[in-house]
Amino acid sequence: GQNIDQPTEMTATEGAIVQINCTYQTSGFNGLFWYQQHAGEAPTFLSYNVLDGLEEKGRFSSFLSRSKGYSYLLLKELQMKDSASYLCAVMDSNYQLIWGAGTKLIIKP
Amino acid sequence: DAMVIQNPRYQVTQFGKPVTLSCSQTLNHNVMYWYQQKSSQAPKLLFHYYDKDFNNEADTPDNFQSRRPNTSFCFLDIRSPGLGDAAMYLCATSREREGPNEQFFGPGTRLTVL
Repeated sequence: GQNIDQPTEMTATEGAIVQINCTYQTSGFNGLFWYQQHAGEAPTFLSYNVLDGLEEKGRFSSFLSRSKGYSYLLLKELQMKDSASYLCAVMDSNYQLIWGAGTKLIIKP
Repeated sequence: DAMVIQNPRYQVTQFGKPVTLSCSQTLNHNVMYWYQQKSSQAPKLLFHYYDKDFNNEADTPDNFQSRRPNTSFCFLDIRSPGLGDAAMYLCATSREREGPNEQFFGPGTRLTVL
């Protein structure tokens, strides 16, 4: 079966750095996406990785290791507005997105 | 601004009473998706259209139907809603199915079944 694993919940402090991990087992691989979803709202796109390595975009970075079936999302200089769920999704060989259940990130002052 | 629009944002229906949710897009994207998402769960893909080509997920109940009359509009029909169908319904679009084509989501319709 296809599976995406992420921690259910994480807590971090405003101004700090947090790393949200994602491991996956899918039928093929055509890229990995990270989305942010605030409570009661729709997901919004954060990043896409298809090659190994780190992609940096402002305060957010995403890393991929295809051989390990592993990715992480790194959030720096945390702000209260970063409190949200972060969903990892992998595009499989049929170009279907397999979604994780998301990691709820709680930011404390 | 180009966007994905869903109406209504909140829908209340009665057990067994048919309901239709609508989605429109101004992005001119080829692909449109309908997802069901329950609290603290992953979005669950119900269907997607690649242009007019309809793709039904194997585990999508027959109670759910979809129509895409043109590029811009897509509808989700729930023929006989049950209590278990209460959820957020998300419409999304992408330019193409493959590659680095991220999905753009509408704000969602929260369905309550009484």
